[in-house]
Amino acid sequence: QSALTQPASVSGSPGQSITISCTGTSSDIGTYNLVSWYQQHPGKAPKLLIYEGTQRPSGISNRFSGSESGNTASLTISGLQAEDEAHYYCCSDAVYTPVVFGGGTKLTVL
Amino acid sequence: EEQLLESGGALVQPGGSLRLSCSASGFTLSNFAVNWVRQAPGKGLDWVSAISASGDARLYADSVKGRFTISRDNFRNTVHLQMSSLRAEDTALYYCVQRITEYEDSSGSHGRYYHTWGQGTPVSVSS
Repeated sequence: QSALTQPASVSGSPGQSITISCTGTSSDIGTYNLVSWYQQHPGKAPKLLIYEGTQRPSGISNRFSGSESGNTASLTISGLQAEDEAHYYCCSDAVYTPVVFGGGTKLTVL
Repeated sequence: EEQLLESGGALVQPGGSLRLSCSASGFTLSNFAVNWVRQAPGKGLDWVSAISASGDARLYADSVKGRFTISRDNFRNTVHLQMSSLRAEDTALYYCVQRITEYEDSSGSHGRYYHTWGQGTPVSVSS
């Protein structure tokens, strides 16, 4: 069982917005507040999407945004596009282990 | 373009050993901490091991502690993961990942994320 909890799946229609939650505890997200998010397309390596909770790397669309509050982080994708269909993982440092990932969320674009 | 390339994955019998390697292009790997993250077939991401830029600090997941050893050769710009006493549950795609470690500045804490991922090397443990 992953220490960071994500919904197993979310879906949305093109153009809509969706939000993926990542729930941790005071021993991970609540302590470090530096959550990162990764996008993984089938058969591909994960790619950095959001770092330090809210920052986008160069080349990542501003349709992707991140937020943090307490022990929870969220990833919002606005203006959904077919190419956004992928798995999404949150990640945090933790007191009980150096790094912990969420279980992953499969995004389906209807 | 910054890239990481893993090698060494193979099919191995339970109890066997394997050595994975990671090299970089487009940046100097020796300037960064490196982690190994694995992904079992159809499953999520699982942190395995980490090594600091200097090689002085090494960390392991409980599931591999005592069986895996991470090392680096900064002269050759490579990182290795020596795996022994392999089990079926070690079967996974192993990713080498560039880690941005924590740093502080006037605006607060930063870092603690994975910037560049390799394409992965597959390890299959089966008789």
